[in-house]
Amino acid sequence: QVQLQESGPGLVKPSQTLSLTCTVSGGSISSGSYYWSWIRQPAGKGLEWIGRIYTSGSTNYNPSLKSRVTISVDTSKNQFSLKLSSVTAADTAVYYCARGSVVVAATLFFDYWGQGTLVTVSS
Amino acid sequence: SYVLTQPPSVSVAPGQTARITCGGNNIGSKSVHWYQQKPGQAPVLVVYDDSDRPSGIPERFSGSNSGNTATLTISRVEAGDEADYYCQVWDSSSVVFGGGTKLTVL
Repeated sequence: QVQLQESGPGLVKPSQTLSLTCTVSGGSISSGSYYWSWIRQPAGKGLEWIGRIYTSGSTNYNPSLKSRVTISVDTSKNQFSLKLSSVTAADTAVYYCARGSVVVAATLFFDYWGQGTLVTVSS
Repeated sequence: SYVLTQPPSVSVAPGQTARITCGGNNIGSKSVHWYQQKPGQAPVLVVYDDSDRPSGIPERFSGSNSGNTATLTISRVEAGDEADYYCQVWDSSSVVFGGGTKLTVL
C-alpha cells in the first residue's frame, strides 16, 4: 500500500520561500508511470493543483503559479519536494502531495494522497 | 483556461439518489475524475475516467460524461456520504478542479 507523507515548516514569513517534502513509502517512486503532484487547499475553499513531476525530472506547473514554483525529485530518498517563492498570506493553505496515475492517454487522476500539512504565511 | 462548474450544494434524503454535475466546454471529450472529501481529511478518489471505480469504492458511486456535462451519481445515499465532492480533468498540460459541491444528507 503506497503512503505519502508531507513534511516541512508550518509557518513561513511573507516574501520567503515555502519548502515542503513528500516521502513516499510502500513502493519505489521510480517504478511505474506515475506523476507526483502537489495540490493545495485554502481553508474553506476548493482544491488547487500546483504542479507535477515525473521521475525523469520533467515537470508541469499551474500557469498561475509557474513563476514561483519549483518541484524536484530525489529518487534515492524516495521523495519529491516543493518550493514556492515570494509567499504571501494568500499562499496559506493545507498542502497535499499526491500520486498521479494515467490509464488512458491525455488524462491524470490522483489515487493516493498524503494527509496534508497546514502552512501559514505570517510574520 | 478551462473552467469546470459545479453547483455549490446538493441536498438529498437518505436512501434517495444524489446527482452532482460538473459542467465544462465539450467536457464529454475529456476524462473526468471525482473525489470525495470529508472535513479534516484528504480527498479520496471515487470515480476515474468518467465511470470507473477504484477498488474499495461502493457500486453506489457511478459516473457519466457527455456533451457539456459530467455527472457523479450516488445511489441509496447514506449519512456517511455527506462530504464535499470535486470533479477534475486534465487540460492543456494542467490539472483543473471544479469548485466543489457540498452534499448534504437530510
